[in-house]
Amino acid sequence: AQTVTQSQPEMSVQEAETVTLSCTYDTSESDYYLFWYKQPPSRQMILVIRQEAYKQQNATENRFSVNFQKAAKSFSLKISDSQLGDAAMYFCAYSGGSQGNLIFGKGTKLSVKP
Amino acid sequence: KAGVTQTPRYLIKTRGQQVTLSCSPISGHRSVSWYQQTPGQGLQFLFEYFSETQRNKGNFPGRFSGRQFSNSRSEMNVSTLELGDSALYLCASSLGAGTARMAFFGQGTRLTVV
Repeated sequence: AQTVTQSQPEMSVQEAETVTLSCTYDTSESDYYLFWYKQPPSRQMILVIRQEAYKQQNATENRFSVNFQKAAKSFSLKISDSQLGDAAMYFCAYSGGSQGNLIFGKGTKLSVKP
Repeated sequence: KAGVTQTPRYLIKTRGQQVTLSCSPISGHRSVSWYQQTPGQGLQFLFEYFSETQRNKGNFPGRFSGRQFSNSRSEMNVSTLELGDSALYLCASSLGAGTARMAFFGQGTRLTVV
């Protein structure tokens, strides 16, 4: 069975600094997708970034980028120039094969200090 | 384009009652998935519907059921409510079956069982 592990329950970063959230996963599939979702207090799950396993190039979306290490099954999220609005729960998620569902990690609560 | 709409936003029910939650996907999306989010268990997959058919089901008791209508709107039903069913129920829509590659979430329904 596929699993997703986020080992940092909470993280804190100073505004304008950079922070990296960690995620590891386990799967025997070769075709899969990895995601980072943000859940602010409004509870809406917002897709931050997506990585296709067959792509070697790390995905980037503005201030958000990932470090995808396929052999190590690691998928970390880097947030540059952190802003107060980045404060939220961040979930790492996996979707593999023809499965239509997402498997989530337990989440990391990110605080941003002014 | 309207996003994923979940109704109601909040719900309080008594143990033993049943409840029905509704999810309207993004226009053109034919797949709807449901997730339960609790502090203890995190985000867990309930089921996925595509073209009015359940494609995939998570590990939940038979008290949890769902359906999808011809307009892709989906409902989930929980019968004989238990205190442990208190949770945030999230709905996600995507274009087609097995396409969690790009899932968009609603704001959720907060169910409290007393």
